[in-house]
Amino acid sequence: AQRVTQPEKLLSVFKGAPVELKCNYSYSGSPELFWYVQYSRQRLQLLLRHISRESIKGFTADLNKGETSFHLKKPFAQEEDSAMYYCALNTNAGKSTFGDGTTLTVKP
Amino acid sequence: DVKVTQSSRYLVKRTGEKVFLECVQDMDHENMFWYRQDPGLGLRLIYFSYDVKMKEKGDIPEGYSVSREKKERFSLILESASTNQTSMYLCASSHLQGSPGELFFGEGSRLTVL
Repeated sequence: AQRVTQPEKLLSVFKGAPVELKCNYSYSGSPELFWYVQYSRQRLQLLLRHISRESIKGFTADLNKGETSFHLKKPFAQEEDSAMYYCALNTNAGKSTFGDGTTLTVKP
Repeated sequence: DVKVTQSSRYLVKRTGEKVFLECVQDMDHENMFWYRQDPGLGLRLIYFSYDVKMKEKGDIPEGYSVSREKKERFSLILESASTNQTSMYLCASSHLQGSPGELFFGEGSRLTVL
């Protein structure tokens, strides 16, 4: 069965510091991985997906199949990055499995 | 602009009441999903649907049912609400039949069962 693990429920960094939100997955097939973000009082929305290999709002994430990880990184955190972040795995069965989420707080 | 609309943002119901949560999307998406969001538990899939009148159980379907009579509308039904169903409920839709792709979410329906 597929599983997504986000080991940190809470993460706090200072503005300008690097930030890394960890995501590990378990899936025997070919994974399709996403990061979703939920800002305060807004709906959950896609941040980025591994197949596009793009940088969104300064965030990047690389799929490491050897370590079964898809960590989200940003070199210089901003206060507006404070939000809840979810890692998600899409499977061939047609379902999305989400991690428990990480609340990121960027302090001034 | 893509839109998933959940009709009720906040509901308060009593134990044993029947509850309907409505979700409408205007993107002609084939796939629709109901999740519940609880602190520390992430998003858990309740039910999903890939086509009209079609439904599949997710990871936590007990105590819930769904209805999809039209492509754009997916309803979540709590036949007899219980206090442990107090939660935030999120509806989502996606294109690509058979594979979710990017999920588009509604704003959520916060249900309190007393």
